[in-house]
Amino acid sequence: QSALTQPPSASGSPGQSVTISCTGTTSDYVSWYQQHPGKAPKLMIYEVTKRPSGVPDRFSGSKSGSTASLTVSGLQAEDEADYYCSSNAGSKNLVFGGGTKLTVL
Amino acid sequence: EVQLLESGGGLIQPGGGSLRLSCAASGFTFSDYAMTWVRQAPGKGLEWVSTISASGGSTFYADSVQGRFTISRDNSKDTLYLQMSSLRAEDTAIYFCAKGGSGSYYRFDFWGQGTLVTVSS
Repeated sequence: QSALTQPPSASGSPGQSVTISCTGTTSDYVSWYQQHPGKAPKLMIYEVTKRPSGVPDRFSGSKSGSTASLTVSGLQAEDEADYYCSSNAGSKNLVFGGGTKLTVL
Repeated sequence: EVQLLESGGGLIQPGGGSLRLSCAASGFTFSDYAMTWVRQAPGKGLEWVSTISASGGSTFYADSVQGRFTISRDNSKDTLYLQMSSLRAEDTAIYFCAKGGSGSYYRFDFWGQGTLVTVSS
C-alpha cells in the first residue's frame, strides 16, 4: 500500500487561497482530514468534492488525473492545521498521504 | 451526539504479550456502520490499520499489522476492539477509532480522541 504524496508544508495570508495537492490516486474515494495539534482528525471533504454538513464552503476539493487537491479560500487563522488526504488502495484497503502543515501567515 | 471513547492503551514490552484496545460508541446505530482503527506515531502522519464491516463479517488489515492484529466488534455492546500481539517498537502510536461514513469503507466522519500505545523495554 503506497502512501499518497503531499507537500510537507503550505502557507498563505489571511483572506488568501491555498491549494494542497495529493498525488498518486485516480480514485473517486478521496477524502481530506484536518487535524489540529493534539486533536483528533476531522473529515473536511469526501468522495473528492463533497463537503460534510458543518464544514465551511471555503473548503473545496477537486481531482485531475492522478492528483487530488484541497483548496482553502478566504484563509482564517483557525485553518492553521495539518491536512491529510486519503484514498482507497485496492479492495477495502486505504492509504493516507504524508500530511501537509498549513501555516496562516 | 456521536461519541467514540477509546481505552486500553499503555506501556508494553516488545514481543511481550498482547494488548486489547476498546472503543465504546454512542450517539448512533453502531451496527449500521463499518468501523476502523487508524494510528499515528509520535510526530508522524496517519496510518490506516484495520477496518471491519458493520456486521463484523468482513475484516481488512494493513500489511504492517496483518497476522499480528485482530479487529472485532460486539454490536450488542456498541464496542469495537483491536487485539494486538507480537508488538514491535514501530507499533508505538496513538490509536484512533473512527466511524465509517454511510455505506462507505473509505471515509471516516467521526473520530475518537485516541489511546496511546507505547512499545518499549
